[in-house]
Amino acid sequence: DTAVSQTPKYLVTQMGNDKSIKCEQNLGHDTMYWYKQDSKKFLKIMFSYNNKELIINETVPNRFSPKSPDKAHLNLHINSLELGDSAVYFCASSQERGRAEAFFGQGTRLTVV
Amino acid sequence: GDSVTQMEGPVTLSEEAFLTINCTYTATGYPSLFWYVQYPGEGLQLLLKATKADDKGSNKGFEATYRKETTSFHLEKGSVQVSDSAVYFCALSSNNNDMRFGAGTRLTVKP
Repeated sequence: DTAVSQTPKYLVTQMGNDKSIKCEQNLGHDTMYWYKQDSKKFLKIMFSYNNKELIINETVPNRFSPKSPDKAHLNLHINSLELGDSAVYFCASSQERGRAEAFFGQGTRLTVV
Repeated sequence: GDSVTQMEGPVTLSEEAFLTINCTYTATGYPSLFWYVQYPGEGLQLLLKATKADDKGSNKGFEATYRKETTSFHLEKGSVQVSDSAVYFCALSSNNNDMRFGAGTRLTVKP
């Protein structure tokens, strides 16, 4: 069983569209995250959710919104997509926030054209 | 705030060469330290970790020692293989703070 799974793996869409990326973890973890990886492989944390409560939001445009229907899921919604949103987005989870290792999904490569 | 600085590379080595990727950190508390590896087209996988000073993490021939006095967690491997070609990330996580990653180091091992 895949511990952290996200779909789709690839997403190509036009500017201005709205899209969602889904993430599910079956590890029973309390905290989930979304990271953005740019073309230079730099990883930037976007959001973290702990027990359905948003913990941080680091200078991410409000076009991006995380939605967590339950502890095992953290979906990422993106409105009015822009060219600069093209990147690989990773979902991750950990047992607790701080000091615990994170488990990552396979990533979603988003290309905005 | 917490941060990680690692050798950016790229690093190119011949098979069986010795590998060192430097990593230093800044943290207000006592963080846990990690090395992650990302193979092409895949997500990040935990390679090794250390949770307190002087701990040594090891896995698949890779090692790193948590050095509080030098705030470092350098990754080493005595003899690299072609299959070790990947991007390596140093990371830290401290109490009530989310994991922070270094910029990543791309390693290419040539036969």
